[in-house]
Amino acid sequence: DTAVSQTPKYLVTQMGNDKSIKCEQNLGHDTMYWYKQDSKKFLKIMFSYNNKELIINETVPNRFSPKSPDKAHLNLHINSLELGDSAVYFCASSSHRGKAPGFRELFFGEGSRLTVL
Amino acid sequence: DQQVKQNSPSLSVQEGRISILNCDYTNSMFDYFLWYKKYPAEGPTFLISISSIKDKNEDGRFTVFLNKSAKHLSLHIVPSQPGDSAVYFCAASGNQAGTALIFGKGTTLSVSS
Repeated sequence: DTAVSQTPKYLVTQMGNDKSIKCEQNLGHDTMYWYKQDSKKFLKIMFSYNNKELIINETVPNRFSPKSPDKAHLNLHINSLELGDSAVYFCASSSHRGKAPGFRELFFGEGSRLTVL
Repeated sequence: DQQVKQNSPSLSVQEGRISILNCDYTNSMFDYFLWYKKYPAEGPTFLISISSIKDKNEDGRFTVFLNKSAKHLSLHIVPSQPGDSAVYFCAASGNQAGTALIFGKGTTLSVSS
């Protein structure tokens, strides 16, 4: 039973289109994240939600909009896709309950590879 | 500006020998350091962590060493096995609310039999 699942796993689309990537976690965690791994292999934080509230919003174009309908889901919607959006997008979750403030053990999904043509 | 740096993109080691993966950081406010392992077409998985108040943490074949004065940590794998071949990411976090785990670029470890 997959702990953090993302759909779709692969997405090929044209420039200018709008697309969404969905993420669900069944770990009962209170915090969810979106990371982007670009061609240089950096894993960069994009957004984080804690109990459905946005707590981290890095310098990401407005075309990217996260939505958290409940604690178990964090979706990523991307408008007007550009070539530079091609990357692997990873969803992750963590629990802060009973943990030291700085400790963040993230559980990752398998990633969604987005290719913009 | 990279706060977590892994300067070696790759490392090749023979089975049975020690693998040493290095990581440097710039932010002295980091409180926790974690190592993640990633196989192709999979998400990163947590391997081992260390708090800034410790200088060593061991878990089976994996040991992480932290040198706070040098802002340097390393992951030792002894003995290395072919199944250890993967990308290893170093990551760090501070204790301020609303901060994320910051990752390095990763080091690809290849263990040959």
